[in-house]
Amino acid sequence: DAGITQSPRYKITETGRQVTLMCHQTWSHSYMFWYRQDLGHGLRLIYYSAAADITDKGEVPDGYVVSRSKTENFPLTLESATRSQTSVYFCASRETFLPGTGELFFGEGSRLTVL
Amino acid sequence: GNSVTQMEGPVTLSEEAFLTINCTYTATGYPSLFWYVQYPGEGLQLLLKATKADDKGSNKGFEATYRKETTSFHLEKGSVQVSDSAVYFCALSDTDSNYQLIWGAGTKLIIKP
Repeated sequence: DAGITQSPRYKITETGRQVTLMCHQTWSHSYMFWYRQDLGHGLRLIYYSAAADITDKGEVPDGYVVSRSKTENFPLTLESATRSQTSVYFCASRETFLPGTGELFFGEGSRLTVL
Repeated sequence: GNSVTQMEGPVTLSEEAFLTINCTYTATGYPSLFWYVQYPGEGLQLLLKATKADDKGSNKGFEATYRKETTSFHLEKGSVQVSDSAVYFCALSDTDSNYQLIWGAGTKLIIKP
């Protein structure tokens, strides 16, 4: 099925461990995004990518690493997880650069708990 | 900087009631405005958008008009259904944010039968 899929959907880890959240889209959209969703904050952009091997920081990049070796994949890594990174993480993709010209499609989210 | 302010929730209504969810924004340029909806256990999906002043976005019975004079983009629906229960997010995109979306905190809507 076409779409955007995230894995794992749920993850519990401990402080200091490395965690990777996977994101895969089947549309070949150029632009991909990682957001975190926290109560009272809406969505905050962590990193985004305009194409394979092109990534840039968003509003809250500290503690996160991304890569994009293939157009369809955009993994997010927490190199040393902290409790403040407990959140719901959403991956999204869009065909165009300007939000007004293309729809942003979201995955179902990955709920991460850091103990 | 750019920002979006939404009314706090949850908003609880009875089925067939009239809905308004307020959204106001701060932006230095001429932003595009969006409403996204998140149903329980799902990702967000675009509900409607407006890209210039006085535009009205509409979808699934929901409407919102881009009011530059009041810097608002309030979401309305004439008769809500239980299936409209969700979290609604207002967002803007502007040159100051490098066209990245700036999100409101979300408003949870609960519709009771």
